[in-house]
Amino acid sequence: AQSVTQPDIHITVSEGASLELRCNYSYGATPYLFWYVQSPGQGLQLLLKYFSGDTLVQGIKGFEAEFKRSQSSFNLRKPSVHWSDAAEYFCAVEGGSNYKLTFGKGTLLTVNP
Amino acid sequence: DAGITQSPRHKVTETGTPVTLRCHQTENHRYMYWYRQDPGHGLRLIHYSYGVKDTDKGEVSDGYSVSRSKTEDFLLTLESATSSQTSVYFCAISTGTSVEELFFGEGSRLTVL
Repeated sequence: AQSVTQPDIHITVSEGASLELRCNYSYGATPYLFWYVQSPGQGLQLLLKYFSGDTLVQGIKGFEAEFKRSQSSFNLRKPSVHWSDAAEYFCAVEGGSNYKLTFGKGTLLTVNP
Repeated sequence: DAGITQSPRHKVTETGTPVTLRCHQTENHRYMYWYRQDPGHGLRLIHYSYGVKDTDKGEVSDGYSVSRSKTEDFLLTLESATSSQTSVYFCAISTGTSVEELFFGEGSRLTVL
């Protein structure tokens, strides 16, 4: 069965600083990978996804992620964080098993002014 | 907007009482999911459905049952609520024939006293 690890529970960055959120997955073949964002009191919104092809994928709100098969990673990046990016971020994997997503435990992002 | 409505949005109940949460969609998508979200656990799949009367268990299905008698409605039932089922419950739908993207409802916060 597939699994996802987000090593960082909570990250604090200053506004304008760069951001990288880590995600490692476990799956035997090439998985489908996703990043979702959740603002307080809201549901989850898809930021970006990787299925195949170019390993650097662009998403909404200026986010990008890079799939690295050798490291089983799918890290999320943003060059300059805005205060509105403060939220919880979830990495997820779908490994071809009846179209179910497995989520990581999330990384809470705090942005300091 | 994928047209997902969850009801009730908030509910407080007592241990041992039955509870039903409803997820309604307006666009006749085939796949529907129930997740629960708890601090430190991320989102965990409870049950999912791949068509009318076609449902299957997720990773945390004990104590929960589901029904889907119409395409647009997916019901989650706690036959006898326990305090460990205090959580935020999210319904999600998949708009494609596979998990290309999940759209989430706004969540139902359940407190079991």
